[in-house]
Order: sequence, then C-alpha cells, then structure tokens
Amino acid sequence: SQQGEEDPQALSIQEGENATMNCSYKTSINNLQWYRQNSGRGLVHLILIRSNEREKHSGRLRVTLDTSKKSSSLLITASRAADTASYFCATVESGYSTLTFGKGTMLLVSP
Amino acid sequence: DGGITQSPKYLFRKEGQNVTLSCEQNLNHDAMYWYRQDPGQGLRLIYYSQIVNDFQKGDIAEGYSVSREKKESFPLTVTSAQKNPTAFYLCASIGTSGSMDEQFFGPGTRLTVL
Repeated sequence: SQQGEEDPQALSIQEGENATMNCSYKTSINNLQWYRQNSGRGLVHLILIRSNEREKHSGRLRVTLDTSKKSSSLLITASRAADTASYFCATVESGYSTLTFGKGTMLLVSP
Repeated sequence: DGGITQSPKYLFRKEGQNVTLSCEQNLNHDAMYWYRQDPGQGLRLIYYSQIVNDFQKGDIAEGYSVSREKKESFPLTVTSAQKNPTAFYLCASIGTSGSMDEQFFGPGTRLTVL
C-alpha cells in the first residue's frame, strides 16, 4: 500500500519560529490528514484536507495540498515548547477505507 | 467522558505465549482499527473492523488475530506465531464506516517480549 513520506525526519527550532513539515504520497487520494503524537502517547488528529481543497487553517496550523505534485505541507506558526512532538501525515487512498501513515517528522521546539 | 481505552499500558510476555490487548470505546463508533508502531516509525495497520462480527486484514496481519463481538470492543491477540511482537500497539476508531474522517486514538499498549 502507498505511504506518505514526511520531510524532514527531524526539525529543531526556537520558540516563536515557524515550523514547516512536508509530506509526499504516491497515488490518488480522497483526503490527507495530519496527526500529532507526544512521546509514548496515542495520536491526536490536527487537521484534514480533502482532495478538492488547496489550503486549510486551524488556529496556528496551516495545511496546503498540491494534488498535481502529490504533496502537502503543515506549517505551525509562532511555535511553542509545547508543540514538541512527532507529526504524521496520513492519506486515504481513493476507494479505500483505511489510513496509510508516513514515518513522521520529530519536532523539537526549544524555549 | 467519551473516548477509547486500552489496557494494560505496559505488558510483558514470555516468548511462546499468546497475549490479548484490550480496546474499548464508548463513542458509539462503527469502525475500529489496530496499528503497530515501531521506534522511529509510522503506524502500520494490523486489522480493522467496520461492523460487528466482521473484520479485515491490514498490511501486517500475520501472527495476530482479532474479534468484534460487540460494537464497543475490538481485542487484539498477539500469538506466538508473531516473530517480532515487541512494539507499541495503538487502537483507533472512526464514527462512520467509510467516511474516513478523523480517527480517534487510544493511549496505546507497549508490549515487550522477554
């Protein structure tokens, strides 16, 4: 099955800076979702963008989707130490009823 | 509080033993999923169930078994046939089968084989 690939694998920034993570995938999708995981915990859904949408905002999060390039980006603005976590993209392939996860980007935000 | 519970949080097992991981949800969700996560890796789908008494294999079903006798419960058994069972196991659910919107996750069970 296809898998999203996040880039970079790890990102280290200072509080107040913006963090950008990218996700690439291989086939036609129904929607793409971003999740957050704190160390040793379950995943928390952040935002969903459908294949006919190009950009979506939620608080300090901005997600873009480019279906022609099969890629998405997650921007966290004005990051905080509490944003330190791993971030995963997950895709729903057209015609399927399961999510396929990438390997994630580990974000470290230093005070 | 509505949510998904998994128990136990930590589980230790000797080689050759079967072990069952619990997953319960009170969200009235139709579909439930089991994932495995290895260090530094994403989630891989083991099994999923979209309706009671029915389930499908995911990408890595070998060595695992599930049942879905009740809507609220989706236990996962890690059998002795699973060659490398040490991992973090996550259960998730979604409100309506086929909608594929937000998945809700439990806190996970960390299984260690001694």
